[in-house]
Amino acid sequence: NAGVTQTPKFRILKIGQSMTLQCTQDMNHNYMYWYRQDPGMGLKLIYYSVGAGITDKGEVPNGYNVSRSTTEDFPLRLELAAPSQTSVYFCASSYRTGKGNTIYFGEGSWLTVV
Amino acid sequence: GESVGLHLPTLSVQEGDNSIINCAYSNSASDYFIWYKQESGKGPQFIIDIRSNMDKRQGQRVTVLLNKTVKHLSLQIAATQPGDSAVYFCAESTSSGGSYIPTFGRGTSLIVHP
Repeated sequence: NAGVTQTPKFRILKIGQSMTLQCTQDMNHNYMYWYRQDPGMGLKLIYYSVGAGITDKGEVPNGYNVSRSTTEDFPLRLELAAPSQTSVYFCASSYRTGKGNTIYFGEGSWLTVV
Repeated sequence: GESVGLHLPTLSVQEGDNSIINCAYSNSASDYFIWYKQESGKGPQFIIDIRSNMDKRQGQRVTVLLNKTVKHLSLQIAATQPGDSAVYFCAESTSSGGSYIPTFGRGTSLIVHP
């Protein structure tokens, strides 16, 4: 099973450039998320989506945009890359159930802004 | 603000010993907790979860204990193996609004010495 797939795995951007991190999941999960993880730190929520056509800001949304046109895909857009956006980005997905939701993560995308 | 934190950023143990990783949470409304394991260069992986109506849950070689009185969560790993070396995160969430969007702690690095 593919699970959650992110691309690219590694990317170097120049300050001011734009790019899109792609994320797709094949588990028919309704919830999808984007997190960033800085060195030695925990995961911070950037944006999340509870279903196609619905997105919400997380803890650190500034400098990012998302869209959710299908259940499977949840791309993350960086418009004007800044050095502060150097981080590891994780896409994730889950079901929402009355018992909580176990989140399944992708392998991560390492982004460096120089 | 509400937060999830860990007491020990690094824990070193000998192979075969039992490991205990601790987590403090401050949101009294949190009712669902998950432990994740993150190996170097990979995304976090689900280990075990527990709801607030339980105080103990066991898995294979792992046990999660929840003390709601002092808002404390722990992960116990029995007979720790070198393959257990990783960063462990606790996450808390609340069913408020039905979203269960989790908040992650900083993480504890577990180092297992052969």
